[in-house]
Amino acid sequence: DVKVTQSSRYLVKRTGEKVFLECVQDMDHENMFWYRQDPGLGLRLIYFSYDVKMKEKGDIPEGYSVSREKKERFSLILESASTNQTSMYLCASTLQGRAFFGQGTRLTVV
Amino acid sequence: KNEVEQSPQNLTAQEGEFITINCSYSVGISALHWLQQHPGGGIVSLFMLSSGKKKHGRLIATINIQEKHSSLHITASHPRDSAVYICAVRSEGRGSQGNLIFGKGTKLSVKP
Repeated sequence: DVKVTQSSRYLVKRTGEKVFLECVQDMDHENMFWYRQDPGLGLRLIYFSYDVKMKEKGDIPEGYSVSREKKERFSLILESASTNQTSMYLCASTLQGRAFFGQGTRLTVV
Repeated sequence: KNEVEQSPQNLTAQEGEFITINCSYSVGISALHWLQQHPGGGIVSLFMLSSGKKKHGRLIATINIQEKHSSLHITASHPRDSAVYICAVRSEGRGSQGNLIFGKGTKLSVKP
């Protein structure tokens, strides 16, 4: 079975902290995605990557950056966390159109 | 207007009932996904469709490309089917990287 693993299920961070969310997939997928999910808004794309060291902005990239140094790992970085970044963050990878999701990280910024 | 619309937003059913969740989209697509999200957050892919109908156990998904509409049916519903069901499409325009456009989800609650 394909596995997409996010490093944390729950995180609480302070305003202004630098936050790293890690995502690892074990099936050599090229495409990886970071989404945030908020009530009433559904999933929104933050960034995606289609190869090592490649990244593309999604619909809401402001306040975020990403890193993909190795094919299996795609990291989401909040340079200076703010309370409006409190959300559920989901990582996904795709292969031949099929999508696989991590279990989600619920981030609270206080 | 959202590119992917789901209805209803919320649905409460009694155990054993037949359930239908609808999805309409306004863009050209290469594929449509039905996803399930249980409380706690993890998302599981149920179906990927580009035409016709697929069945897996008590779940059936259909798509009508001409009408830009898909339905997810659950037969003999059970409380463990309670979850949020999300429709997502892979747009022809942005599909090369497998990016998806999501509906806002349908929250299903099945009462015993």
